[in-house]
Amino acid sequence: AQTVTQSQPEMSVQEAETVTLSCTYDTSESDYYLFWYKQPPSRQMILVIRQEAYKQQNATENRFSVNFQKAAKSFSLKISDSQLGDAAMYFCAYYLGAQKLVFGQGTRLTINP
Amino acid sequence: GAVVSQHPSRVICKSGTSVKIECRSLDFQATTMFWYRQFPKKSLMLMATSNEGSKATYEQGVEKDKFLINHASLTLSTLTVTSAHPEDSSFYICSAISGQLDAVETQYFGPGTRLLVL
Repeated sequence: AQTVTQSQPEMSVQEAETVTLSCTYDTSESDYYLFWYKQPPSRQMILVIRQEAYKQQNATENRFSVNFQKAAKSFSLKISDSQLGDAAMYFCAYYLGAQKLVFGQGTRLTINP
Repeated sequence: GAVVSQHPSRVICKSGTSVKIECRSLDFQATTMFWYRQFPKKSLMLMATSNEGSKATYEQGVEKDKFLINHASLTLSTLTVTSAHPEDSSFYICSAISGQLDAVETQYFGPGTRLLVL
């Protein structure tokens, strides 16, 4: 069964610094999609970034970028120049097919001013 | 684009009553919507997949008769918690897929509904 593991329940970073959130997954598929979602205190899930497995180039969205290591089944999220508004729960997710997402346990990110 | 709303944002009800939660895609047509449940400080658990005009597909362990899902139009899906009990108290989140905006693997989420059953 496909699983997604986020081994860091909590992370903290100083404002303006860079932080990396880890995610590993297990799959036997070769084509799939990976996502990072952000859930701020408002509880609204917000799509941060997505990665297609067939693309070797790492996805980037402004200050957010991923390090996608397909062979290692690793999909980490790097947040550069951290801002107070980045404080949230971050969920890594794997697209299971049949339109289903499997979520990791989440990492709570705290930004220290 | 790709805005999903939920109503109500929070609801308190007495044990034994039924509660209906609405999920709407505001600026796109959603052929497929999903209902998730999230416990405090936990991840999202998929409850069911809802396709417009057809019966919902429930995940293993989710009671179909307890959680009634209706997807009557391309912009509206409803979740009705029937005969609610305190253990049904949770945060319920819907999401939708727009084949018009993105490929089917990208889900857009509503703001969630907090249900408290007394």
